[in-house]
Amino acid sequence: DAGVIQSPRHEVTEMGQEVTLRCKPISGHNSLFWYRQTMMRGLELLIYFNNNVPIDDSGMPEDRFSAKMPNASFSTLKIQPSEPRDSAVYFCASSSMGNSPLHFGNGTRLTVT
Amino acid sequence: QKEVEQNSGPLSVPEGAIASLNCTYSDRGSQSFFWYRQYSGKSPELIMSIYSNGDKEDGRFTAQLNKASQYVSLLIRDSQPSDSATYLCAVLMVRGSYIPTFGRGTSLIVHP
Repeated sequence: DAGVIQSPRHEVTEMGQEVTLRCKPISGHNSLFWYRQTMMRGLELLIYFNNNVPIDDSGMPEDRFSAKMPNASFSTLKIQPSEPRDSAVYFCASSSMGNSPLHFGNGTRLTVT
Repeated sequence: QKEVEQNSGPLSVPEGAIASLNCTYSDRGSQSFFWYRQYSGKSPELIMSIYSNGDKEDGRFTAQLNKASQYVSLLIRDSQPSDSATYLCAVLMVRGSYIPTFGRGTSLIVHP
């Protein structure tokens, strides 16, 4: 099992640019989660999907953020336009549905200058 | 009140001692509880799951759950310097479906 795969590992971009983060969940997992981690706020849930359907996006900070899951093996988180305050580590995690634990990818460290 | 609360630490213990990490949660209906370890610059790694009141042991780790008090803890016996990390408590809260909510984490330092 390859685990949850995220790309890129690091992203440095200038303010105003579009950023796309990618995630491949563990095969067979039905739920996918996007988290953002900062020193100030810890791990914040941005959005999660069950069976490719967005269930709760109340954690998405604003309209600049969007997420898609076109199929069971791929999801994207897009920020357009990016701002310096978006700088953080973004984690994707997946789980089997129900009360199963999350398995995290290695994260994407985003720096917006 | 924060949904999942942990003391941020750092908690400093000598090598070989027992480290005790605590977590409280606000949702009385929560049924599933997890402890994750996160090394600096790395992703959270699952170390324990607990679903029923009482203790659950796995090697040097023991998770304790008390749903009446809305309290979950993690004990690490014979602490090693390699245990130095941030420990995150996660609670699956029911909001129509299961929402995994994390505490801010407790930083543990095990000194030789």
